Amino acid sequence: GAVVSQHPSWVICKSGTSVKIECRSLDFQATTMFWYRQFPKQSLMLMATSNEGSKATYEQGVEKDKFLINHASLTLSTLTVTSAHPEDSSFYICSALPATGDNSPLHFGNGTRLTVT
Amino acid sequence: KNQVEQSPQSLIILEGKNCTLQCNYTVSPFSNLRWYKQDTGRGPVSLTIMTFSENTKSNGRYTATLDADTKQSSLHITASQLSDSASYICVVYAGNNRKLIWGLGTSLAVNP
Repeated sequence: GAVVSQHPSWVICKSGTSVKIECRSLDFQATTMFWYRQFPKQSLMLMATSNEGSKATYEQGVEKDKFLINHASLTLSTLTVTSAHPEDSSFYICSALPATGDNSPLHFGNGTRLTVT
Repeated sequence: KNQVEQSPQSLIILEGKNCTLQCNYTVSPFSNLRWYKQDTGRGPVSLTIMTFSENTKSNGRYTATLDADTKQSSLHITASQLSDSASYICVVYAGNNRKLIWGLGTSLAVNP
């Protein structure tokens, strides 16, 4: 089945540093990728929608200069958390939508647990 | 306002028992409804996707139903197993702006 690989699975960084998270669709092309964050016992919250070759669309309240998204190819999107602070500690999950229509399954990575100290 | 509401918020059942989770939505225009299973610390996994014309869809011991008139869906789990312990999330896809509207999920615990 379709696989989305997200890396790293967990990362600990110091306050003020930047962290890059990669999301790859391994066996299909994804014209659209989504980035979510999830706090404990809460549902996924969409941060931004990333389309290959164009700028990401950010949800209201998400700082585009802090959460940099690059979707350079049909199989790779990256999220960079710049100047991370402890309040950015969260579970970040990416998902990829195959280029086969709106009724296609959305495939998720296994998430990245970010801890900012 | 596009919303997806799930009930119950949490549920505890004994292994081998059946259970049914509910999802009500007010999303327009409706494109499809999805049920996901999310284990703790993992990404969600798709269970079913139903379009407007589909009333029921099964995936092993999981059976989802959809009533597009009343805007309700249910997920029935048969003969539950310990590995069914997870969060089950109902998601409705709004076709006009390609938005996924997420429910808050039902946390299911299956005890031996």
